[in-house]
Amino acid sequence: DAKTTQPPSMDCAEGRAANLPCNHSTISGNEYVYWYRQIHSQGPQYIIHGLKNNETNEMASLIITEDRKSSTLILPHATLRDTAVYYCIAGGTSYGKLTFGQGTILTVHP
Amino acid sequence: KAGVTQTPRYLIKTRGQQVTLSCSPISGHRSVSWYQQTPGQGLQFLFEYFSETQRNKGNFPGRFSGRQFSNSRSEMNVSTLELGDSALYLCASGEGSEDTQYFGPGTRLTVL
Repeated sequence: DAKTTQPPSMDCAEGRAANLPCNHSTISGNEYVYWYRQIHSQGPQYIIHGLKNNETNEMASLIITEDRKSSTLILPHATLRDTAVYYCIAGGTSYGKLTFGQGTILTVHP
Repeated sequence: KAGVTQTPRYLIKTRGQQVTLSCSPISGHRSVSWYQQTPGQGLQFLFEYFSETQRNKGNFPGRFSGRQFSNSRSEMNVSTLELGDSALYLCASGEGSEDTQYFGPGTRLTVL
């Protein structure tokens, strides 16, 4: 799996967009970028994944740069319930294994 | 579809005992993975089962073992518990070993 780099923490005001960056400069051409989040002491929740095109679902949007060396997860209208640790994983699942880094602690403020 | 379920949700054991945790995957999912999460080490992969066969294993001692049944339900066992085994144990399931994994709520194990 490619190594990922995420900021340790970020803040966001409620109602504003939260943009969470992730660097994965060593990602291979066939490796997906996955995003999960974990709210305190719960199991990680799958958010979204993509290969090279931008993706959007009901939770978030994923923007992957053309060179695929970085990506941004966008929560369009953050709420207090979006406060969580967000994990970016480059490489996807290999024989059931996801390699988690330290993630970004996102705190949404009223 | 119902999500991944894990039982029990909380467990307290003493050193030297053994423990069995259970995981029921999402219906139709054949891959089940197990993770250990501690404050110091983060999320660490234990092992993965697909169609009753262990196909991948993390770097954990032999005290940690698992199995998968024909209905894809899985159990993990930890023998001779140590204080350091206190952790949140997470189970995840996917349609296949390379597919998106969905996590259960976890079992919080405390070893006294």
